[in-house]
Amino acid sequence: DGGITQSPKYLFRKEGQNVTLSCEQNLNHDAMYWYRQDPGQGLRLIYYSQIVNDFQKGDIAEGYSVSREKKESFPLTVTSAQKNPTAFYLCASSAQPTGPQPQHFGDGTRLSIL
Amino acid sequence: GNSVTQMEGPVTLSEEAFLTINCTYTATGYPSLFWYVQYPGEGLQLLLKATKADDKGSNKGFEATYRKETTSFHLEKGSVQVSDSAVYFCALISNTGGFKTIFGAGTRLFVKA
Repeated sequence: DGGITQSPKYLFRKEGQNVTLSCEQNLNHDAMYWYRQDPGQGLRLIYYSQIVNDFQKGDIAEGYSVSREKKESFPLTVTSAQKNPTAFYLCASSAQPTGPQPQHFGDGTRLSIL
Repeated sequence: GNSVTQMEGPVTLSEEAFLTINCTYTATGYPSLFWYVQYPGEGLQLLLKATKADDKGSNKGFEATYRKETTSFHLEKGSVQVSDSAVYFCALISNTGGFKTIFGAGTRLFVKA
């Protein structure tokens, strides 16, 4: 079955450490997205990519970095510059970057500080 | 700019009760409207959608009608089940918003047996 796989499901970060969250899709979708979800709150867009080797900042990109070297992969790095990284991180994809295309989501990675 | 406003939760209902979760939007152009559902510990899943005025989206007993005159897309279900307990997100995509998805804050639903 096609879908989006996020790993790991749970991740712990030490102070001053960078961590990378994995997101892989086999839906052949062009566009991919990273969102942050805090308890009881909605989704905030971190980064998005409409095509391979290109990505744009979302609303809360500071302290995060991404790459899009392959169509199926869009890893997110949470850097030490992100002072409050504890959250639920969701990766999503959509068939095309334009048009009213619904997004498909992975099951998320929960990041906590040690 | 484009935005989505949902009723605040949590909403607590007994099994077999009628459900309404209100959603209103502000958008330029001709937005498409969506409802997503998030079960505990999971990502969001598309529940239903409507792409033009007066369209009705439906799925798994849930319905929502795209009302342009009231800029609303309220989610309804005639008889909820315990398994419907989740967080529900209203969302829009507008051709004038760069086709970015704008999500509401989410409404948590608890259904008691």
